[in-house]
Amino acid sequence: AQTVTQSQPEMSVQEAETVTLSCTYDTSESNYYLFWYKQPPSRQMILVIRQEAYKQQNATENRFSVNFQKAAKSFSLKISDSQLGDTAMYFCAFSSRAGAGSYQLTFGKGTKLSVIP
Amino acid sequence: DTAVSQTPKYLVTQMGNDKSIKCEQNLGHDTMYWYKQDSKKFLKIMFSYNNKELIINETVPNRFSPKSPDKAHLNLHINSLELGDSAVYFCASSRGTAALEAFFGQGTRLTVV
Repeated sequence: AQTVTQSQPEMSVQEAETVTLSCTYDTSESNYYLFWYKQPPSRQMILVIRQEAYKQQNATENRFSVNFQKAAKSFSLKISDSQLGDTAMYFCAFSSRAGAGSYQLTFGKGTKLSVIP
Repeated sequence: DTAVSQTPKYLVTQMGNDKSIKCEQNLGHDTMYWYKQDSKKFLKIMFSYNNKELIINETVPNRFSPKSPDKAHLNLHINSLELGDSAVYFCASSRGTAALEAFFGQGTRLTVV
């Protein structure tokens, strides 16, 4: 079974600074996908960034980038130039096949990020 | 144009009641899901349907019954509600491949009193 571990329950960062959120996972699969989702106080789950395991290049989306270390099963999220709107819960997620064309996401327990003005 | 919509957004009900949460997606996705987020924000999958067929049925009390009348809809019916059922329930959909992310509804906060 896949597991996803986020070891930082809470973090804070000054506005305009950079912060890195950690995520490790455990799987026996060789091809899989990893995601970071953001959940602001509005409760909406929003995809931040996606990484395919077969790609060595780290994914980037504007101020968000990942450090994907496949051998170490590590998938950290770096947020540059932090903004107040980045305040949210951040969930790391692993996508695995559940059968018959269906996939399921296994989530970590989340990291609550506060951006301080 | 909401991609995945759930109704209601908030639901307060008494123990023992039966309630339903509706979900609709207009993305043309084949797969729909129900996730439960507990008070500690932990998200766990409950059910998955692919083309109206039940694929995933995690260890969920049989008081919870999903129903998928068509590919675009996946409703969740809960019988004999208990205090422990209080949570936020998310509907999501995806195109059925791991490469594509799941799109989530806004969640339904269920409070059982």
